[in-house]
Amino acid sequence: EAGVVQSPRYKIIEKKQPVAFWCNPISGHNTLYWYRQNLGQGPELLIRYENEEAVDDSQLPKDRFSAERLKGVDSTLKIQPAELGDSAVYLCASSRFGGGGNTEAFFGQGTRLTVV
Amino acid sequence: GDSVTQMEGPVTLSEEAFLTINCTYTATGYPSLFWYVQYPGEGLQLLLKATKADDKGSNKGFEATYRKETTSFHLEKGSVQVSDSAVYFCALTENSNYQLIWGAGTKLIIKP
Repeated sequence: EAGVVQSPRYKIIEKKQPVAFWCNPISGHNTLYWYRQNLGQGPELLIRYENEEAVDDSQLPKDRFSAERLKGVDSTLKIQPAELGDSAVYLCASSRFGGGGNTEAFFGQGTRLTVV
Repeated sequence: GDSVTQMEGPVTLSEEAFLTINCTYTATGYPSLFWYVQYPGEGLQLLLKATKADDKGSNKGFEATYRKETTSFHLEKGSVQVSDSAVYFCALTENSNYQLIWGAGTKLIIKP
């Protein structure tokens, strides 16, 4: 079974430029998560999808961040314009079901963003 | 709100040493508890979990016991290897919702 696939692995951009990250979850996983992980910290949830519906985007900075999962499978996360403080690793994860504490989330390798 | 606190790293040990990484939590309900591991250059992987009090999760020689009385879920391994070098994250979810609450991570360095 293929895991969660993210691209690109690394991205360096100048501030004020746009950037996009792509995620393909594990086949059959209805729930998709985007996290941001700053150096030396645990991941912070940005948005959670159940199929194509964003059911929790309360932590997404909506002035510059957007996400979509149009067909309920792969997803993109966009930042426009990027700021220096957006430098972090952006993680995508998926799980079979979104509810309940027993659900295991599977993570991609992440995209390391550096804004200069 | 819910939170997870784990010991600060880095933790440096010699090969075959005994490992303990402390994790304590605060939660309003009855959470499930997890340890995730992040090897260099790789994504987060679930290492083990426990879903109710007194449960013991185990995998790859690692163990952690869900202690409700002390709100703890300490990670242990009897004899560590160089290949165990990684960052370890303790996390919880309330059983009523999906959201993972994470600790800050503990970097483990094993020297030959």
